Amino acid sequence: GAGVSQSPSNKVTEKGKDVELRCDPISGHTALYWYRQSLGQGLEFLIYFQGNSAPDKSGLPSDRFSAERTGGSVSTLTIQRTQQEDSAVYLCASSSPVGLFSTDTQYFGPGTRLTVL
Amino acid sequence: GENVEQHPSTLSVQEGDSAVIKCTYSDSASNYFPWYKQELGKRPQLIIDIRSNVGEKKDQRIAVTLNKTAKHFSLHITETQPEDSAVYFCAAPNSGGYQKVTFGIGTKLQVIP
Repeated sequence: GAGVSQSPSNKVTEKGKDVELRCDPISGHTALYWYRQSLGQGLEFLIYFQGNSAPDKSGLPSDRFSAERTGGSVSTLTIQRTQQEDSAVYLCASSSPVGLFSTDTQYFGPGTRLTVL
Repeated sequence: GENVEQHPSTLSVQEGDSAVIKCTYSDSASNYFPWYKQELGKRPQLIIDIRSNVGEKKDQRIAVTLNKTAKHFSLHITETQPEDSAVYFCAAPNSGGYQKVTFGIGTKLQVIP
């Protein structure tokens, strides 16, 4: 079946512009995550959606970052007034935990490489 | 929340030798420990995971061991091959009925032919 997809694959923008990054999770996966990965670095957690619960926004680095998940499926990460330090690969992942106390495999998308000039 | 420490940050081994990467975690209630492999320019992918009801799990050349008392788990790769060269991430979940995981900083493994 189809995996996690993200668009665009690459985005070049000018400092101060807003950008929107899209994630299509695997159909039926209730959990969706956004991570940021700077060059040669680890996975920085940004935000987590689980079903109809309120999202965990604890990883968002500033109020310029926001995310939505419509209809429990597609998610959009928005970065307003982009800065050069926002340049990174933004990865989305989805999973299908069996129950509230279950943790399961995260399936990652290919990422969006954001470059802020 | 969970605190995951991973080491070493870089590891070079000769082809055919074994490689071991270790992680420690802080939350004694954690019960699921995955390992992800990220090849250069690609997305992370799960290679093996272990749940807290077992101490060891093997899949061909890779194995994971878990010591819940000491709160650490390790990835073992035997008979390393050049295609094993990648960055490996461990992870552990937040407890309290929560599916978010915390990732280690990653280990860059280089297998020298």
